[in-house]
Amino acid sequence: TQLLEQSPQFLSIQEGENLTVYCNSSSVFSSLQWYRQEPGEGPVLLVTVVTGGEVKKLKRLTFQFGDARKDSSLHITAAQPGDTGLYLCAGQFLSGSARQLTFGSGTQLTVLP
Amino acid sequence: EAQVTQNPRYLITVTGKKLTVTCSQNMNHEYMSWYRQDPGLGLRQIYYSMNVEVTDKGDVPEGYKVSRKEKRNFPLILESPSPNQTSLYFCASSPRDRPLYGYTFGSGTRLTVV
Repeated sequence: TQLLEQSPQFLSIQEGENLTVYCNSSSVFSSLQWYRQEPGEGPVLLVTVVTGGEVKKLKRLTFQFGDARKDSSLHITAAQPGDTGLYLCAGQFLSGSARQLTFGSGTQLTVLP
Repeated sequence: EAQVTQNPRYLITVTGKKLTVTCSQNMNHEYMSWYRQDPGLGLRQIYYSMNVEVTDKGDVPEGYKVSRKEKRNFPLILESPSPNQTSLYFCASSPRDRPLYGYTFGSGTRLTVV
C-alpha cells in the first residue's frame, strides 16, 4: 500500500492568520486532489492538480503540486472561521489502478474568531 | 440534484448479525467505491467497482462484501459484523474517464457494532 503523509495533523489558528498544509509521498502521483470535510458530511472536492509545478487558486486557497509530482501544499490566506474543517489530500499513483485514490489522514483545521 | 445517497445514516447492531448498507448514485457514474474512516487513519478503501459486475478489493476488504448488479447501486454487506468494524463508512462515485472530476461522496453511515 502506498502512503500519503499529511501534516500537520491538527492546526488551530486565529482568524486572519495564514497557514499551509502539506501532503507528501515517496511515490509519484498521476494526479492529486484536495477535499474538505465538515462534521457529519462526506468530503467535498476542492481542486485537482495534474501537472508538476501546477498552481491553482480558489479564492483565498492556493494549491501547489510539486515539480516531481510527489508532494502538494494547500495555503490559506487570511483564514476565516468558515474555513474550519478536515482537509484531506488524495492521490492517484502512477502505479495504481485506474481511478483508485489513496487518502492522507487529514489536517483538522480550527479557525478561531 | 446530483448526489450519492447512503442508508442508513446511523446503525447500531450486535456482533454477528448480518447487515447491508445501501449506496445509490443518480449521476450515471461508472466508478463506485466504499471507504471507512477512522480517527488518525484517514479514509481507507474497502472495495471498488469499475462498472456493472466488476468489483475489486481495496486496502481493507476483510469482513466485507459488495455487489454491482446495477450501475446506480453498490451495497456494502457485512455478513458477520465484529466490533472492529465500528467506523464511519462512505460511498463515493466518479465518472470513469474524467479524472479531474473527482469523487462525489455520500453523507456517511456511522456504524457501531456491540
